[in-house]
Amino acid sequence: EPEVTQTPSHQVTQMGQEVILRCVPISNHLYFYWYRQILGQKVEFLVSFYNNEISEKSEIFDDQFSVERPDGSNFTLKIRSTKLEDSAMYFCASSSGTRNYEQYFGPGTRLTVT
Amino acid sequence: SQQGEEDPQALSIQEGENATMNCSYKTSINNLQWYRQNSGRGLVHLILIRSNEREKHSGRLRVTLDTSKKSSSLLITASRAADTASYFCAPRSKGTGTASKLTFGTGTRLQVTL
Repeated sequence: EPEVTQTPSHQVTQMGQEVILRCVPISNHLYFYWYRQILGQKVEFLVSFYNNEISEKSEIFDDQFSVERPDGSNFTLKIRSTKLEDSAMYFCASSSGTRNYEQYFGPGTRLTVT
Repeated sequence: SQQGEEDPQALSIQEGENATMNCSYKTSINNLQWYRQNSGRGLVHLILIRSNEREKHSGRLRVTLDTSKKSSSLLITASRAADTASYFCAPRSKGTGTASKLTFGTGTRLQVTL
């Protein structure tokens, strides 16, 4: 069964450094998402992406964040200058965007900012 | 999208028993989805019920929807230790796009003991 994959599974970085989180969505899906979950808190929406542009973004997704689909398979989230409060699990998801409204989530990348 | 409110916050049952969790929402919906999250992992889509459906089954899962009360319930029959997870509902508001973001609440934490 097709699945969303994410790399790395765990990333440790120092405050102020740039990080890129990578995702490979399900191949025939058209809509892509990033969510995050700070330890012990809710899963929060960050951004959605369709047709090579951002469809929707939350207040969390400020100028420090960017997303890209550099080729036909990868979808990346970049944090330009990480802060301690960026420490969280980051989940990528994809959806076919058809009548099947469900989103398929990856296993997540745990980002630890020290 | 809108956030659903799951109830109870936590539920502890023995293996073999049934588990029922509820979701309430505020405004009219196109559909409502249930997701499961094992500790620290990505969310897994369980089942989607459309606003014109009252009940839906999938394996050991049974979902009901009462649009007049703006509520849904998820029943897991003959629970297993592997069902231990957090469960979230995600109501999709009428008028929102096919692939709009999901908004998650705090969920119901289900613990199934042997």
